Amino acid sequence: SSQLTQDPALSVALGQTVRITCRGDSLRSYYASWYQQKPGQAPVLVIYGKNNRPSGIPDRFSVSSSGNTASLTITGAQAEDEADYYCNSRDSSGDHHYVFGTGTKVTVL
Amino acid sequence: QVQLQESGPGLVKPSQTLSLTCSVSGGSISSGGYYWSWIRQHPGKGLEWIGYIYYSGSTYYNPSLNSRATISRDTSTNQFSLQLSSVTAADTAMYYCARKQTNYCSGGSCSYFDFWGQGTLVTVSS
Repeated sequence: SSQLTQDPALSVALGQTVRITCRGDSLRSYYASWYQQKPGQAPVLVIYGKNNRPSGIPDRFSVSSSGNTASLTITGAQAEDEADYYCNSRDSSGDHHYVFGTGTKVTVL
Repeated sequence: QVQLQESGPGLVKPSQTLSLTCSVSGGSISSGGYYWSWIRQHPGKGLEWIGYIYYSGSTYYNPSLNSRATISRDTSTNQFSLQLSSVTAADTAMYYCARKQTNYCSGGSCSYFDFWGQGTLVTVSS
């Protein structure tokens, strides 16, 4: 099955920009979706497809993709953006299986 | 607004079967186009997709669980369930239920888990 690899941790100064990357073969065929998880809480969908954000998600969250890499960018990071972020996509085997990325801990300084 | 709520024993003995139920409100699990999913998270670790049941009743599972997982549904109560057999300490985790959908996005289809339950912690211990 596929694997999705993320950098374990990133830090960003308040108001600056951070890019979180997700790498895996399945991303050549399928869009990623991205989830934010704060301590003690369930994950929350923040963005999917080509910059589709659920209601209530600020537009400082955006995505891009190239080849086997999908990226989530937070432009003008806020203190409340400090969280774990996970990507997800369908497995490249195509058998209706899904895989999550390894997760990135984002710290806002 | 769709809401999901997990329920079930918080403690399961090794070799027994873990059973959890997800109660759905604000939407029908029989509605077309949705996949009712289970996802778990080991303590301090990342998310792991377990499987899902489609509105039609078809099921799909993570092969890494070696056929130990079974997802079923009860449309009369608008609930779906997870059974995980022959559990070990490695199955100790927070278990989430979630709704997945797949839509057309620019250039192709995109899938996402849009609503999640709050999660329930299951510990496997004698």
